[in-house]
Amino acid sequence: DGGITQSPKYLFRKEGQNVTLSCEQNLNHDAMYWYRQDPGQGLRLIYYSQIVNDFQKGDIAEGYSVSREKKESFPLTVTSAQKNPTAFYLCASSIISGAKNIQYFGAGTRLSVL
Amino acid sequence: QKEVEQNSGPLSVPEGAIASLNCTYSDRGSQSFFWYRQYSGKSPELIMFIYSNGDKEDGRFTAQLNKASQYVSLLIRDSQPSDSATYLCAVHPPNFGNEKLTFGTGTRLTIIP
Repeated sequence: DGGITQSPKYLFRKEGQNVTLSCEQNLNHDAMYWYRQDPGQGLRLIYYSQIVNDFQKGDIAEGYSVSREKKESFPLTVTSAQKNPTAFYLCASSIISGAKNIQYFGAGTRLSVL
Repeated sequence: QKEVEQNSGPLSVPEGAIASLNCTYSDRGSQSFFWYRQYSGKSPELIMFIYSNGDKEDGRFTAQLNKASQYVSLLIRDSQPSDSATYLCAVHPPNFGNEKLTFGTGTRLTIIP
């Protein structure tokens, strides 16, 4: 089955701890994205990557880090510098096609602070 | 002014009626437009995309794009309770090579049986 797999589904972070959210895709998509969604709000872009070993900051990158060592994988680390990490985190991917950038989403990871 | 604006709702529509969802965008050169449906607690799923002025129909869904007025709308005919969800509008900016989408905050739609 082709798709985007995010794990874990639920994650709890202790004070001062870094946590890593996994995102894997087998759609052969070039571009991958991380979004944060807070209750009643839209999606805010954290980081995105259009090619292996390269990524760009989105609108709310502070307190987060990413890597793109493989085309299939784009893990997101929520660092201790992110003081309000409780949110729904969504990973997406797309082919690179100019304006026809259809993004497909994984099932999401819900992060809470203990 | 927000780049992509949607009425947050909630929008309540009787079952069987037409639901009309609207989205306006600020960047006149925007090229492509997407509607995603998001059920509570779930991730967004693509339901429609439109690139050209006019209407695009897919089953009970019709997307309408008016670039001169900078709005895009989604019509849902014969609304069903299963259509109750939040609908997100997303816009691709005009700068090619930049694959980012800008999302609106979503409109919550409730279909009343």
